[in-house]
Amino acid sequence: AIQLTQSPSSLSASVGDRVTITCRASQGISSALAWYQQKPGKAPKLLIYDASSLESGVPSRFSGSGFGTDFTLTISSLQPEDFATYYCQQFNSYPLTFGGGTKVEIK
Amino acid sequence: EVQLVESGGGLVQPGGSLRLSCAASGFTFSSYSMNWVRQAPGKGLEWVSYISSSSSTIYYADSVKGRFTISRDNAKNSLYLQMNSLRAEDTAVYYCARGSYYGGYVDYWGQGTLVTVSS
Repeated sequence: AIQLTQSPSSLSASVGDRVTITCRASQGISSALAWYQQKPGKAPKLLIYDASSLESGVPSRFSGSGFGTDFTLTISSLQPEDFATYYCQQFNSYPLTFGGGTKVEIK
Repeated sequence: EVQLVESGGGLVQPGGSLRLSCAASGFTFSSYSMNWVRQAPGKGLEWVSYISSSSSTIYYADSVKGRFTISRDNAKNSLYLQMNSLRAEDTAVYYCARGSYYGGYVDYWGQGTLVTVSS
């Protein structure tokens, strides 16, 4: 199975900060990567698919990049509603796998 | 509006069985693959199983293979997960999740149903 390693596992940031989360795959997955946001007690929400495509309705401050084994999710200007946990997921092959998550907390 | 509503969760003893259901609406259910994804309390997301739109292709995580069975009824717009030989480590919120039309990512999630395996 393809392993996804997210870093950092948690971070503290202030409103307005630029935040970058990385996801590294144990083998090449082309651009078959998605990013999700999850708030406490809620289901995850799709943000980015195909590594860099923004899901409809998701604010443009979210962006994704990468190819192969190294990927990033960037929030250009952190907003109060962005404090949540973020997960990457590969869909290059089954079993589908998720990264361990990155919790974004208020500084 | 896409809606996925899970049901069937609850408390079950180790070794017991449970059947989860997911009622889908707001889209052409028979055109989409579906998944079950779970999340243990305080932990991350774990993919459990996949079924293609016609049920011709099915995959399972190694952790549930041989114990869980995914199925669907396109006439009833419903997805199921039969869980047998349940273990304490199967305790989690189980999400019904729609596969995207062109790819393997999940584009919609249900609200989840909690399964607790405990004596």
